[in-house]
Amino acid sequence: ETGVTQSPTHLIKTRGQQVTLRCSSQSGHNTVSWYQQALGQGPQFIFQYYREEENGRGNFPPRFSGLQFPNYSSELNVNALELDDSALYLCASSPGTVEAFFGQGTRLTVV
Amino acid sequence: DQQVKQNSPSLSVQEGRISILNCDYTNSMFDYFLWYKKYPAEGPTFLISISSIKDKNEDGRFTVFLNKSAKHLSLHIVPSQPGDSAVYFCAALSLIQGAQKLVFGQGTRLTINP
Repeated sequence: ETGVTQSPTHLIKTRGQQVTLRCSSQSGHNTVSWYQQALGQGPQFIFQYYREEENGRGNFPPRFSGLQFPNYSSELNVNALELDDSALYLCASSPGTVEAFFGQGTRLTVV
Repeated sequence: DQQVKQNSPSLSVQEGRISILNCDYTNSMFDYFLWYKKYPAEGPTFLISISSIKDKNEDGRFTVFLNKSAKHLSLHIVPSQPGDSAVYFCAALSLIQGAQKLVFGQGTRLTINP
């Protein structure tokens, strides 16, 4: 059973650009969530997808969007990047239980 | 609005002794509480959880205590081992628009000294 994997591990983008981060969920998990972790803070909930539909969203603007595919892999897209978007982005999958299983994260730096 | 707070940014404990990590929350509607452990360059790893209807859950060296009246929970690690050195996050499970959302504290960096 493979775990949650994210790509790329590191990324540098320029302010105003767009970025796509990818996540491959753990086998059998139909729910995926994305979190943003700023330096020195705990992860903040961005949104969750269940069976390819967004079913909950945190306090993030619409330029943060996502997709979930039939194989339960997922993408996080961020448009019009701002310097404050620099953070570790974490993907977490769940089989519908309480526990969420996290990937190693993508470190995004916006310059 | 910080609904889950870990007021100690760091904690240093001698190997073999007990480590106690604390967490406070403000929302009495949380159904579950979880503890995650995070090493550098890795994602958070689930450690242990507790339902809001219980006051204690134990798994090997790890025990979580929940005091609902005080809106406080703690994670006890005994005996502490060098491999326990990591950042520990307390999280509460919240339902938002049908989604299960984890609300995290800021984390406590635990260092186990030999």
